[in-house]
Order: sequence, then structure tokens, then C-alpha cells
Amino acid sequence: QQQVKQSPQSLIVQKGGISIINCAYENTAFDYFPWYQQFPGKGPALLIAIRPDVSEKKEGRFTISFNKSAKQFSLHIMDSQPGDSATYFCAASITGTASKLTFGTGTRLQVTL
Amino acid sequence: DTEVTQTPKHLVMGMTNKKSLKCEQHMGHRAMYWYKQKAKKPPELMFVYSYEKLSINESVPSRFSPECPNSSLLNLHLHALQPEDSALYLCASSQVILQETQYFGPGTRLLVL
Repeated sequence: QQQVKQSPQSLIVQKGGISIINCAYENTAFDYFPWYQQFPGKGPALLIAIRPDVSEKKEGRFTISFNKSAKQFSLHIMDSQPGDSATYFCAASITGTASKLTFGTGTRLQVTL
Repeated sequence: DTEVTQTPKHLVMGMTNKKSLKCEQHMGHRAMYWYKQKAKKPPELMFVYSYEKLSINESVPSRFSPECPNSSLLNLHLHALQPEDSALYLCASSQVILQETQYFGPGTRLLVL
């Protein structure tokens, strides 16, 4: 019940295209859903996060869509750029003291010219 | 300042060596974390400190020994490691209770020979 399932495992998108990564969860107690971006040899960096009281959150070219009833959330990268090539992890946690993050398995995105 | 720093960046050690990884943050966060990340996998939680006290130990072998000397510092002492312990070791921090955003450091790339 603690799992977060992420797909696809890898994704190739042309420059200017839309990249879409999907995640699904089982535990309805999760109430915080961040996305992390990780470049090779670097630590994960918080990209954008959402709570279940909103269905969508946009920050620049990055948008999270959240479907509470389906227990699914997704990351959309508009106008994808080669510099977006990285591994993306969705995650979920429960609000509380020193809350644990449950990560998805990751999606390796490659944006081609 | 949302920076978590880690030293060293790279570490090579033999199975009989004793070494330490260091992590520092100056964001006033009261929760600090150690993660282990293998290639092409998400980070795996090892330890969580909350207000300088060990809050979570994810059944990590005793050859890994965490220490939190103060609210800004987190150490991971390594002794008698195995080759399979080779990985990227990530430190993270977050505010407690109100904010679940975890800020990750760049990691220490550990190779055990």
C-alpha cells in the first residue's frame, strides 16, 4: 500500500514536444506529492509539488495534474528542451513529523534535437 | 539558501577501512535524512533524524552508523563495508511538521573495493 507506481520507465521526446510522466498510488493517506528531477551524478532537486486539494499546479513549463478519485498524478513538461533530459521521480508522503517520502521508480527522459 | 552540502564528493575505501560522510545544512531544518541510491533506482531511505534524535532506522546494517552532532550537521560513519554497499549516498533535510519538502545534497559517490 506504500508503493507509488511510475510510468514510463524511459521516454524520448523531440525538442518542443510535451513530455508526460504518470504516477499512481494506493495509500489514500498520502497528502503531498512532489516531483524530483535528477541529473547524472547529482542529487534529486525538487521540481514542483502538489497537495490533493487542487487538481492542477503549473510552474513555468511544468504542470502537475492530480486526480484524487483515480489516485493518479502526472507531470507534463511543455516545450521540452534538451536541458530537461534527466531522470524524474514522483513521490508521495503523509503530512507529519519527519515524514517519509515514497518514491516512484523513476523515468529517464531524453529530449532530442 | 536552500543548499545542502556533502563531503567528500567521491570516496573509495577498502572493506576494512573506517570512513565518514558529512552533511551540512543552514536552513534551520530540524529533520535530516540519509538515503542510499543505486544506479537507475530511486533513493532508498536509511535513517531519519528529527530534532537531533534518531527517528527512523530502516533496518540498516550496523556497519552504517549515523550521528547528528547538532541541528546543522549529519554524519554517516562507515566500517567494514561490502562491495554491494557501493552507491550514491544522499543527505537531505526538511522542516518538521509543516513542510514536507526535502532538499537533497549532491551526494557522495562511494566505491567499496
